[in-house]
Amino acid sequence: GENVEQHPSTLSVQEGDSAVIKCTYSDSASNYFPWYKQELGKGPQLIIDIRSNVGEKKDQRIAVTLNKTAKHFSLHITETQPEDSAVYFCAASMAGFQKLVFGTGTRLLVSP
Amino acid sequence: GAGVSQSPSNKVTEKGKDVELRCDPISGHTALYWYRQSLGQGLEFLIYFQGNSAPDKSGLPSDRFSAERTGGSVSTLTIQRTQQEDSAVYLCASSLSAGGGEQYFGPGTRLTVT
Repeated sequence: GENVEQHPSTLSVQEGDSAVIKCTYSDSASNYFPWYKQELGKGPQLIIDIRSNVGEKKDQRIAVTLNKTAKHFSLHITETQPEDSAVYFCAASMAGFQKLVFGTGTRLLVSP
Repeated sequence: GAGVSQSPSNKVTEKGKDVELRCDPISGHTALYWYRQSLGQGLEFLIYFQGNSAPDKSGLPSDRFSAERTGGSVSTLTIQRTQQEDSAVYLCASSLSAGGGEQYFGPGTRLTVT
């Protein structure tokens, strides 16, 4: 089955810096890659996603890149703000399968 | 509009008791998913529904776990004879259709088995 690895497990940055979180997946059949932000005591919130027919997608300060050959994808947050502090999860799913396979999460701390 | 709702938000139960967790998906979403998140861990898939059918139950950890969905809407996850290792946050998500991509999560139910 699919396996998703996520790095780093924790990331501390200063406000205004950029943050990058990386994930790798094992099954080349995976074709949908969402990113979720989870704040303390809340459910995960979808912040951006990408499909395998696209190499990059941007939404304001957030971007995701996908390298199908290397089977890895990354989340980029620019001009970080304290409210970006949360746990971020990547996930992958395969065509025809409905479940998401999640990475183990990255705790991002943005210091003022 | 209203998002995915779950109840109760917290549940403390004694080992050996049965519990029921409820999920109300976003109106019009035909697919519904259950995941489990243990302390400090990622999310683990349990089961998903398309309408009232459960095509994939592969993530249910044991036969003590079961789920049903009625009327294509509300779903209930039941854990029988709870064990301490069942303690976790149980998350429900819904999507417009199975394979439709975006899954939207509820706030979860925190289950503690004492």
